[in-house]
Amino acid sequence: GESVGLHLPTLSVQEGDNSIINCAYSNSASDYFIWYKQESGKGPQFIIDIRSNMDKRQGQRVTVLLNKTVKHLSLQIAATQPGDSAVYFCAESGYSTLTFGKGTMLLVSP
Amino acid sequence: GAVVSQHPSWVICKSGTSVKIECRSLDFQATTMFWYRQFPKQSLMLMATSNEGSKATYEQGVEKDKFLINHASLTLSTLTVTSAHPEDSSFYICSAANRGASSYEQYFGPGTRLTVT
Repeated sequence: GESVGLHLPTLSVQEGDNSIINCAYSNSASDYFIWYKQESGKGPQFIIDIRSNMDKRQGQRVTVLLNKTVKHLSLQIAATQPGDSAVYFCAESGYSTLTFGKGTMLLVSP
Repeated sequence: GAVVSQHPSWVICKSGTSVKIECRSLDFQATTMFWYRQFPKQSLMLMATSNEGSKATYEQGVEKDKFLINHASLTLSTLTVTSAHPEDSSFYICSAANRGASSYEQYFGPGTRLTVT
């Protein structure tokens, strides 16, 4: 289930489950959205992106859904694995700069 | 491709000293590099945007005289934290935008952990 830590919400799942991580973005003018994975002590790693003229995009084991009406973005990870444990950030962009969301920690237990 | 490196990966310095962090794009030319700061369990906050050959643009609340940014070539940007204090201890991450590619694409470095004692 979900819980809110001191600064970072946490989602705990069992290996093999599907995970859904949500993000609310702030700028209705943003037209590009990206999900990043960040492991402890490392830089962000690109997962998947979507442009505002789309509402769904699929990658390998990941799907991003965009709902512009409510300014909501979600990342779905299928068959979650222990290696997926990390902090996940959404980011929005209007042109050249990125604005990152607060992040969600995903904990996958075997 | 699109690899960005940072050096050093971690540094410990004494209060009052200055520290320089390098960000390099290894296999592409980066007209624009970005510097972020990340405190524990928090998100990345953009500090400044630097374009090759011109002055950096700082975000509101970031002191440009304290965080000196130089982007002297298409593959190197440096961030110097001057007169560092313990509150500057953080994880500093750079990213680089690929020249000629979509303006949205940024490639991130591995980060530099700064600890000021």
